[in-house]
Amino acid sequence: DTGVSQDPRHKITKRGQNVTFRCDPISEHNRLYWYRQTLGQGPEFLTYFQNEAQLEKSRLLSDRFSAERPKGSFSTLEIQRTEQGDSAMYLCASSLGSRGSYNSPLHFGNGTRLTVT
Amino acid sequence: GDSVTQMEGPVTLSEEAFLTINCTYTATGYPSLFWYVQYPGEGLQLLLKATKADDKGSNKGFEATYRKETTSFHLEKGSVQVSDSAVYFCALRRTGNQFYFGTGTSLTVIP
Repeated sequence: DTGVSQDPRHKITKRGQNVTFRCDPISEHNRLYWYRQTLGQGPEFLTYFQNEAQLEKSRLLSDRFSAERPKGSFSTLEIQRTEQGDSAMYLCASSLGSRGSYNSPLHFGNGTRLTVT
Repeated sequence: GDSVTQMEGPVTLSEEAFLTINCTYTATGYPSLFWYVQYPGEGLQLLLKATKADDKGSNKGFEATYRKETTSFHLEKGSVQVSDSAVYFCALRRTGNQFYFGTGTSLTVIP
């Protein structure tokens, strides 16, 4: 179990640029989540995949945000035309779940810290 | 909607002191409850969980009991150590696949 890995750890970009983050979940986990965390707050749900299907999206996920998990393994989160308000820690988590399994915990990566200048 | 409310920090304790971090939740049905811990520079890690009323989750000397009558899941430890300094997040998961997190409570333990 190598854990959830995220790349890059830090990203500094100028307003208006596009950025893409990658997440590699624990290999046998079929569920993958993206969360956003700002200073002094808990993680806020952005979106969730079961295998390659994106099943839920938060209203926080504006049309500038897009996430993919093309082969049901790694996932990417892209932010287009970044704004200063996008500065945050972007967390990826995975879990092993099946229908009705509501107590499977999340396993988090260390996050990608985005700074938009 | 579903939500979690944690006591505000920061909390500063001396080593070997007793710790309580309060957590209450709002949810319909029967959520699963979790405590996550985030050590400096690291990602969130599961500390303990409870999946039904009156369950007690425990790990590393920490305990929390799922109290449905008071909708609470308070975290306790009898004797904290410097290495317990971290941010602690209470979370719930109901039907569906969203986890709802509290705002976190920062704990600093001084020798």
